[in-house]
Amino acid sequence: AQTVTQSQPEMSVQEAETVTLSCTYDTSESDYYLFWYKQPPSRQMILVIRQEAYKQQNATENRFSVNFQKAAKSFSLKISDSQLGDAAMYFCAYTGTASKLTFGTGTRLQVTL
Amino acid sequence: EAQVTQNPRYLITVTGKKLTVTCSQNMNHEYMSWYRQDPGLGLRQIYYSMNVEVTDKGDVPEGYKVSRKEKRNFPLILESPSPNQTSLYFCASSKFFGTGGSPLHFGNGTRLTVT
Repeated sequence: AQTVTQSQPEMSVQEAETVTLSCTYDTSESDYYLFWYKQPPSRQMILVIRQEAYKQQNATENRFSVNFQKAAKSFSLKISDSQLGDAAMYFCAYTGTASKLTFGTGTRLQVTL
Repeated sequence: EAQVTQNPRYLITVTGKKLTVTCSQNMNHEYMSWYRQDPGLGLRQIYYSMNVEVTDKGDVPEGYKVSRKEKRNFPLILESPSPNQTSLYFCASSKFFGTGGSPLHFGNGTRLTVT
């Protein structure tokens, strides 16, 4: 079974600085997708970024980018120029051939002035 | 507006009293799913449906039922709720899932408390 591990329960970053959230996963599949979801205090689940495993190029979405290391099974999220609105719980998630997303346990990000 | 609508947003009930959480999507999505979120455990899949009249168990299906009689609706039924089902529940939908990698669209969640 696939597993997703987020080893940082909490992180803190100053406004305008850069922070990296870690995620590792375990799978024997070769074709899969990885996601980062953001959950603000409103508890809405918002898709931040998506990465296809067969693409070597790291996905980017404005201030959000990933470092996808397929051999190491690592999928970290970098947030540049952090803003107060980035404060949230961030979940890493995996999907392959199974009909579900497998989530990590989440990292709570605090943004300070 | 494209969305997944869950109701109610908050629900407090007592042990054993049957309840239904409704979920509806207006995007003509084939795939729908229910998750529960618990602190320290992330989100775990309860049930999913690949199409009308097709449902299957996820990782934590015990104590839950679902039905998919129409494409847009996917209610979650707790026939005899127990306190260990106190959780935050999410309904989600996707155009295609699995190998397609189509992202999930989530509802706003239902906070359920069973006393």
